[in-house]
Amino acid sequence: EAQVTQNPRYLITVTGKKLTVTCSQNMNHEYMSWYRQDPGLGLRQIYYSMNVEVTDKGDVPEGYKVSRKEKRNFPLILESPSPNQTSLYFCASSSKPGTAYEQYFGPGTRLTVT
Amino acid sequence: DAKTTQPPSMDCAEGRAANLPCNHSTISGNEYVYWYRQIHSQGPQYIIHGLKNNETNEMASLIITEDRKSSTLILPHATLRDTAVYYCIVRVGAGNNRKLIWGLGTSLAVNP
Repeated sequence: EAQVTQNPRYLITVTGKKLTVTCSQNMNHEYMSWYRQDPGLGLRQIYYSMNVEVTDKGDVPEGYKVSRKEKRNFPLILESPSPNQTSLYFCASSSKPGTAYEQYFGPGTRLTVT
Repeated sequence: DAKTTQPPSMDCAEGRAANLPCNHSTISGNEYVYWYRQIHSQGPQYIIHGLKNNETNEMASLIITEDRKSSTLILPHATLRDTAVYYCIVRVGAGNNRKLIWGLGTSLAVNP
């Protein structure tokens, strides 16, 4: 089954404690991206990757890092989380980069930073 | 600066057509309009996209006005499972400043 998986699904952490949210897709997609979703602000792109070892900033990259060492994985790293990073995070992949064409989204990770 | 405008909420009776409008007056001539939906807080799901011609697939129909400044997503026979937030998405800007804009969506409630 074609899917994007994210782990963990829920995470409560404290300010400053480094964390990683994993994302994996099994569709051999080149394009992957991370979004955060906050009430009243909609979906905003954090980082995206056009292919292995190719990443770029989205609209709200501050406080986040990503890496793309393998095609299937695209982890999101928060080196020093802060309460304003409390949000719902989605990973997505697509065979067609740079557009919104048929992006497949993961189930989401709800992060709370206290 | 919103680039898409959608009504925040709509209601529809089960079995009836749901018509969800979107204004995107700043869309460029060669950019597509995309529609997604999100059920509860699950990951968004792709529905359909179009450029200037009307499009139809197994999920919905998309009607784009001739001037491309607005579009309407049509769910021909809405069911309770169609209750979701529906997003109209466009890409704006040029060159390296191009980016996708997700609006706040329309929360569609399909009522029995």
